Amino acid sequence: EPEVTQTPSHQVTQMGQEVILRCVPISNHLYFYWYRQILGQKVEFLVSFYNNEISEKSEIFDDQFSVERPDGSNFTLKIRSTKLEDSAMYFCARTRDRGYNEQFFGPGTRLTVL
Amino acid sequence: GENVEQHPSTLSVQEGDSAVIKCTYSDSASNYFPWYKQELGKRPQLIIDIRSNVGEKKDQRIAVTLNKTAKHFSLHITETQPEDSAVYFCAARSFKTIFGAGTRLFVKA
Repeated sequence: EPEVTQTPSHQVTQMGQEVILRCVPISNHLYFYWYRQILGQKVEFLVSFYNNEISEKSEIFDDQFSVERPDGSNFTLKIRSTKLEDSAMYFCARTRDRGYNEQFFGPGTRLTVL
Repeated sequence: GENVEQHPSTLSVQEGDSAVIKCTYSDSASNYFPWYKQELGKRPQLIIDIRSNVGEKKDQRIAVTLNKTAKHFSLHITETQPEDSAVYFCAARSFKTIFGAGTRLFVKA
């Protein structure tokens, strides 16, 4: 399985602070996704991103969230003003195309908001 | 909105027995149905998938079936082993992947 990396592996922050989670792309993968998994719950879709634009987003992905590829390489998820309920695992995933292919999940970033 | 229902939420079987997990989806545009295994503290790992133009797929002890008309799909694990114990998620995908709530499988030795 192609390597998919995320940084940091664990982020602890105070409520109200901004956090940036990073995902490192691999070649031939054009579509990027962010998912959230609150402890003990299911994986929830946040947003998909293609060609430097958001393709789809869920109702969870409100104004406090943003995504970008600041340097054409890393893919970031920013949470502007964290809340306690943002504490979760955040996974990025990539596919070669939009439809049929396997999503490769990164190892995740555990975000803890105090 | 799109939704994926998954049952049961917990499943306990004896080693060697079979395990079946069932899912239904609501979005008719869904065309790809992956199944993921997630061990504690780790990322979801794809174990098998099925596309909408196929009714059944098998990979060693794991098989999936898809009934597009009924919008049902199922995971079958035969000859279960203790290392199969994990949380299993079904998912349905059109342009975004919607996950089921997960099934915690316990395989007792």
